[in-house]
Amino acid sequence: GDSVTQMEGPVTLSEEAFLTINCTYTATGYPSLFWYVQYPGEGLQLLLKATKADDKGSNKGFEATYRKETTSFHLEKGSVQVSDSAVYFCALWGSNTGKLIFGQGTTLQVKP
Amino acid sequence: EAGVAQSPRYKIIEKRQSVAFWCNPISGHATLYWYQQILGQGPKLLIQFQNNGVVDDSQLPKDRFSAERLKGVDSTLKIQPAKLEDSAVYLCASSLGDGQGFFGQGTRLTVV
Repeated sequence: GDSVTQMEGPVTLSEEAFLTINCTYTATGYPSLFWYVQYPGEGLQLLLKATKADDKGSNKGFEATYRKETTSFHLEKGSVQVSDSAVYFCALWGSNTGKLIFGQGTTLQVKP
Repeated sequence: EAGVAQSPRYKIIEKRQSVAFWCNPISGHATLYWYQQILGQGPKLLIQFQNNGVVDDSQLPKDRFSAERLKGVDSTLKIQPAKLEDSAVYLCASSLGDGQGFFGQGTRLTVV
């Protein structure tokens, strides 16, 4: 079945450092891919999405490119801030099944 | 636009008791998901509805969990009897059917 694998955390960075959180997936068909973020004490919210191969999703300085050849959707940000400290979840939506499946999450801590 | 509403926010029960969670999705969203999120893990899909029909409940422990979505709007998730390992946050999400899920704040269940 469909699945999502994320790099294990926690990831600890200094402010203004470059961020990469790896995400790979297994799916039949052509899934849509998402990154969700969960800030402390808050609910899950969509960060960005990509619906087809080679699409780049972007929001709040974060980017991720849908790579079908490597089945990946890595999250990147050029310069992180303390306010980016949160748990990040990679997810896929299978157009065949309608299921929205999540990875295990990666905790990011940014220190001043 | 009102978001996804869930209640209660917190619930503490003793093992072998029963509990119910309620979800009111965003108006017009035909797809509704229930997830279980154990501390430190990603959301695990329990059941998926399309209007008032079940699309997938393969991960729902049907000996103790049940869910319904009467009239294709509100939904309830019930656990009877609860076990210690059911302690988790239960998330409800709704979607237009394009994979983008909108999440409620969740219900944090503690079974003692």
